[in-house]
Amino acid sequence: NAGVTQTPKFQVLKTGQSMTLQCAQDMNHNSMYWYRQDPGMGLRLIYYSASEGTTDKGEVPNGYNVSRLNKREFSLRLESAAPSQTSVYFCASTGTSGTRGETQYFGPGTRLLVL
Amino acid sequence: ILNVEQSPQSLHVQEGDSTNFTCSFPSSNFYALHWYRWETAKSPEALFVMTLNGDEKKKGRISATLNTKEGYSYLYIKGSQPEDSATYLCAFTKTSGAGSYQLTFGKGTKLSVIP
Repeated sequence: NAGVTQTPKFQVLKTGQSMTLQCAQDMNHNSMYWYRQDPGMGLRLIYYSASEGTTDKGEVPNGYNVSRLNKREFSLRLESAAPSQTSVYFCASTGTSGTRGETQYFGPGTRLLVL
Repeated sequence: ILNVEQSPQSLHVQEGDSTNFTCSFPSSNFYALHWYRWETAKSPEALFVMTLNGDEKKKGRISATLNTKEGYSYLYIKGSQPEDSATYLCAFTKTSGAGSYQLTFGKGTKLSVIP
């Protein structure tokens, strides 16, 4: 049982390049989330998927797109990377029963540097 | 955007000292309050989820209380040890409306325990 896994662990991009961050969970969770963590800002929600087939914007969605590929996988895409997107990205999942207030389980994070 | 405030931002204590920190959140539309422990270079790990006014939770030397009427929660650490050094995050879930399946995080309290 690996929990929440993320790839890659670290990536360097040039401004304007695109990339996809991958996230998968093996806990049969319904909901999945993408956060970014910046110094002094805490964790901010980019996008989430409350259940398979649905996605919604969070607090800071601009410059990102997401795909809920199936129940296990939720990817985050940067179409044209900008230096402001340099951050640590965390994927999380929750909800075997689909109720609110359940604990979120986090992946190990992806460190992204945009030059 | 919901406002979740944590204080202090950072804290240095001697090994063996007891300490506590505060999380403030909107008292209206409350569903759940979460505490997470986040060690450097790792991912956040859940400590507690509390939903009822007056809830108290305990895990070893760490405990938490909840006051939903006034919108605050305290996290207590008794007899701090160096391994308690981490950032402690609180997060809020609301009852209904847009974003009710999301966690809104505070910026955290960074605890350093000096041996």
